[in-house]
Amino acid sequence: AQTVTQSQPEMSVQEAETVTLSCTYDTSENNYYLFWYKQPPSRQMILVIRQEAYKQQNATENRFSVNFQKAAKSFSLKISDSQLGDTAMYFCAFMKHSNTGTASKLTFGTGTRLQVTL
Amino acid sequence: DGGITQSPKYLFRKEGQNVTLSCEQNLNHDAMYWYRQDPGQGLRLIYYSQIVNDFQKGDIAEGYSVSREKKESFPLTVTSAQKNPTAFYLCASSATGGKLSGANVLTFGAGSRLTVL
Repeated sequence: AQTVTQSQPEMSVQEAETVTLSCTYDTSENNYYLFWYKQPPSRQMILVIRQEAYKQQNATENRFSVNFQKAAKSFSLKISDSQLGDTAMYFCAFMKHSNTGTASKLTFGTGTRLQVTL
Repeated sequence: DGGITQSPKYLFRKEGQNVTLSCEQNLNHDAMYWYRQDPGQGLRLIYYSQIVNDFQKGDIAEGYSVSREKKESFPLTVTSAQKNPTAFYLCASSATGGKLSGANVLTFGAGSRLTVL
């Protein structure tokens, strides 16, 4: 079974600064996907970024980027130029690739609560 | 607009009652999921369905039941056998298709908060 670990329950960053959220995972799979989801106070889950394990290049989405270290099973999220609207719970998640194209389970970490301050 | 609709947003239940949470999607997604969220525990998978008339247990299926009679709908029933049902419930859906762009990305509904009185 896959496990996802987020060791930082809470973090704080000042507006315009950069912050990195940590995530490690454990799996015996070789093909899989990794995700960061954001859950603001509204509790709506929003996809931030997605990484395919077979791609060596780290994914980026505007101010959000990841540092994917497959051998170390590490998948950290970097938020640059933090904004007040980035305040939220951030969840790291893992999904194994399905060769049949069918759905697979998405396994979540326990989350990191990020507070962006003035 | 395409999306996922969960209802009701808030639900109160007396002990011993079964309740059903609704989840409807118009994204034409094959797969649908139910997650439970408790403070400090992240999201845990209750059930998921890959296609109509098929579903699999997740990590915490005991005390819950689902059906998938239509592609668009995946209702969750919280039965009286669920010992601690007070939680926030999230429904999600995804396209399938392996490595296609957008496949395997879950889209979530706004959630339903269930409180047992």
